[in-house]
Amino acid sequence: NAGVTQTPKFRVLKTGQSMTLLCAQDMNHEYMYWYRQDPGMGLRLIHYSVGEGTTAKGEVPDGYNVSRLKKQNFLLGLESAAPSQTSVYFCATDKNTGELFFGEGSRLTVL
Amino acid sequence: KNEVEQSPQNLTAQEGEFITINCSYSVGISALHWLQQHPGGGIVSLFMLSSGKKKHGRLIATINIQEKHSSLHITASHPRDSAVYICAVRLRGGSEKLVFGKGTKLTVNP
Repeated sequence: NAGVTQTPKFRVLKTGQSMTLLCAQDMNHEYMYWYRQDPGMGLRLIHYSVGEGTTAKGEVPDGYNVSRLKKQNFLLGLESAAPSQTSVYFCATDKNTGELFFGEGSRLTVL
Repeated sequence: KNEVEQSPQNLTAQEGEFITINCSYSVGISALHWLQQHPGGGIVSLFMLSSGKKKHGRLIATINIQEKHSSLHITASHPRDSAVYICAVRLRGGSEKLVFGKGTKLTVNP
């Protein structure tokens, strides 16, 4: 989806390493979300933000931190990666009407 | 029991067939989304609906709030429709709360 960009698209980490995923949107949306997608499971909410400077925990927040210093960017950090965090991560934003816009996904492997 | 159940989990069809994917939910919702995910690709929003029916090209989505059920129909299916279709509900009272189904994998053979 043009408008929601995730970087990087792929990353391989060793256990204990740290990294940051960046989600950038150019649609001026207030709501931004980070989800993880694992085989056999629905998308699960990690953290979300309802506006610049605000963040909140979702369903599976442990091991992750987030920041929303600028309205257009939502960062997802892993301070000490674990194999259980191997997943595909999706960022999404929310139009006022509730319409969802997703990024292309970031595939993370933790060895 | 999951709050959002999709059926079938997997569906194989021949090109041209009429496809129906079902979504049932057990919670109060303010809206329901149908999403499409191509293999290895991102997720695209197809429909958001809170009542009635919506149509876009060959795709039709319906929702019955009383029965807590939605269907996604694809008419004259084509191999390019092969994808995972995901149902997600937005919980009533919490606009950030989305609950996702596990998805239905559709394969359309030529």
